Formats: sequence, C-alpha cells, structure tokens
Amino acid sequence: ETGVTQSPTHLIKTRGQQVTLRCSSQSGHNTVSWYQQALGQGPQFIFQYYREEENGRGNFPPRFSGLQFPNYSSELNVNALELDDSALYLCASSRVGTIRGYTFGSGTRLTVV
Amino acid sequence: SQQGEEDPQALSIQEGENATMNCSYKTSINNLQWYRQNSGRGLVHLILIRSNEREKHSGRLRVTLDTSKKSSSLLITASRAADTASYFCATYPSGGSNYKLTFGKGTLLTVNP
Repeated sequence: ETGVTQSPTHLIKTRGQQVTLRCSSQSGHNTVSWYQQALGQGPQFIFQYYREEENGRGNFPPRFSGLQFPNYSSELNVNALELDDSALYLCASSRVGTIRGYTFGSGTRLTVV
Repeated sequence: SQQGEEDPQALSIQEGENATMNCSYKTSINNLQWYRQNSGRGLVHLILIRSNEREKHSGRLRVTLDTSKKSSSLLITASRAADTASYFCATYPSGGSNYKLTFGKGTLLTVNP
C-alpha cells in the first residue's frame, strides 16, 4: 500500500507569482484534501476534492484553486502569491464511506519572498 | 478558524514518564482524532474516537472523550525519546458534509532521554 506523496518538498517563489503543488493519493483512496499550516499553528482546511469536483472549501480566497485527476492525484494552485502564503502545504487522502483517519503526505514547504 | 485547542502548548518529560495532553472543542462532533507531527513534516494518524465512545486504547496510547464537556485527552504511557513531536487533536463536525477536519494548535511534547 503506497502512501501519499507530495512534490516538490521545498519551493521558493516571489510575491505575485503563481505556484502549483502536486499530490498523489494513497492507493484505494478517492478523496483528497489540502491543508495550509503556518509556522507554530495547526493545519487549516483549504478544500477537498471528490470525483474530480470540489466537495467543500475552507476560508481561503479564490486564488487558491485545485484539481483532482481520474487517477485521484491532485494539484493545488495558488495565484498572485502573497508573503502570508508562506507555509507548509499538506495533502491528505481518504476513502469516502470509511470512518478512519486521513493519510497525510510529508508536505511542501512554500516560501514567498 | 481552529476548533480544537490543545493544552498544554508545550510539555517536557523524562523518558519512561507518562504524558497527558488535553483538547477542547466548541461544536458537536462526529468523531475526534489525534495526530502526531515530527519536525514540521506530515501528520501521522494515531487514533480516532467516535462521539458515542468514551475511551479507546491503541498500544501505549489511551484516548478519552467527554462530549458533555467537549473535551478529549491523549495519554502516552512509558514515553520514549522517539515520542518527541507535536500532537494535534482534530474534529469532524456532526451533521452536514463530514469532509472538514478542524485542527487545534497542537502540543509540543519533548521526551528527554
């Protein structure tokens, strides 16, 4: 059973640029969620995808967008980067209909300068 | 917004001692989960307790849930240096779409050898 993999591990971008982060879900999982974790804080829910559609969204502006592909991999896109977007971005997968914990990837550390 | 709030924010103990972390939350839940995070990397699911359960065990972990007080505790017995990490509680709300996992700010546990 493979886990959740994220790429890249680290990324440095300039304010105003756009970034794409990638995630491969655990085998057998069909939902993917993205979380933002600022330094010293708990993860904050960005959105979840199921059947290639956004299934729920947290308190994040529209410049945060995502995609889920037929193989259940996913992308998180952030436009017009701001300094406050600097954080660890975590991807988590699960399977609809099961009550169990999510499987998280190791995250992408994004630094906006 | 953070629903769960862990207490204490930081805990330092000696190897072999027990560690207890508490979590309080605000709204009705379907289940509560505890996660561990090492050095700002991905989260690892430890244990899930449903709203109709009061106590659950997994190895050296013991979780309790008091829905009347909206609180939970995580006990790690016979701690080891490898248990050094941040611990987060996370809640799923009851009713509606159970897709959003809401995390607290975490407890940083340091186990000294």
